Amino acid sequence: QLRLQESGSGLVRPSKTLSLTCEVSGGSISSRGDSWSWIRKPPQKGLEWIGYMFHSGSPSHNPSLKSRVTISVDRSKNQLSLRLTSVTAADTAVYYCARDRGRYGLDVWGPGTTVTVSS
Amino acid sequence: VLTQSPATLSLSPGERATLSCRASQSVGSSLVWYQQKAGQAPRLLIYDASNRATGIPARFSGSASGTVFTLTISSLEPEDFAVYYCQQRSNWPPSFGQGTRLEIK
Repeated sequence: QLRLQESGSGLVRPSKTLSLTCEVSGGSISSRGDSWSWIRKPPQKGLEWIGYMFHSGSPSHNPSLKSRVTISVDRSKNQLSLRLTSVTAADTAVYYCARDRGRYGLDVWGPGTTVTVSS
Repeated sequence: VLTQSPATLSLSPGERATLSCRASQSVGSSLVWYQQKAGQAPRLLIYDASNRATGIPARFSGSASGTVFTLTISSLEPEDFAVYYCQQRSNWPPSFGQGTRLEIK
């Protein structure tokens, strides 16, 4: 059974870099055809798609986050990573990773990890 | 842009729930529905507008008419009270609606 688990910095100072990892277990992050997404949910707001690592190995991110986002995969560790630079309070959210099946949806999610941006 | 309505829906167990998601432009049938309960990750319910995901009860159904998509829960169970999001997978970037909160009346 595929399982995802997010981890990383829970408290980040403003203007610093947020770093998260998503460990994939019960399956391979290199599985043919699988892409992997990051999504976040700010307090009292809805879901926001951050970006993904396409199965071909090409990352893409939401243009609204400009060039602050870096998504990468470490296949040797079966991990997906997210880096978000120059954070502000608006980046405070629960961050999720998920397997992305495109038109078939995000079908497996991690439990999420809370990130607070505060001085 | 996806616009969900109503923002909040108050119903009783056993009643029928109808949630709407309107797309500002064509997304074909690439529309997905998720359920999120407090403190939990979202759960995939419906993909391709009308196909139930694995393990989703038959009381959940999705339909489409042009750019208006509907999630119907035929008879509400206590565990169905949650927030529901739609997401389009046709246009870049993939985007979510703002959510509909289904609460117990």
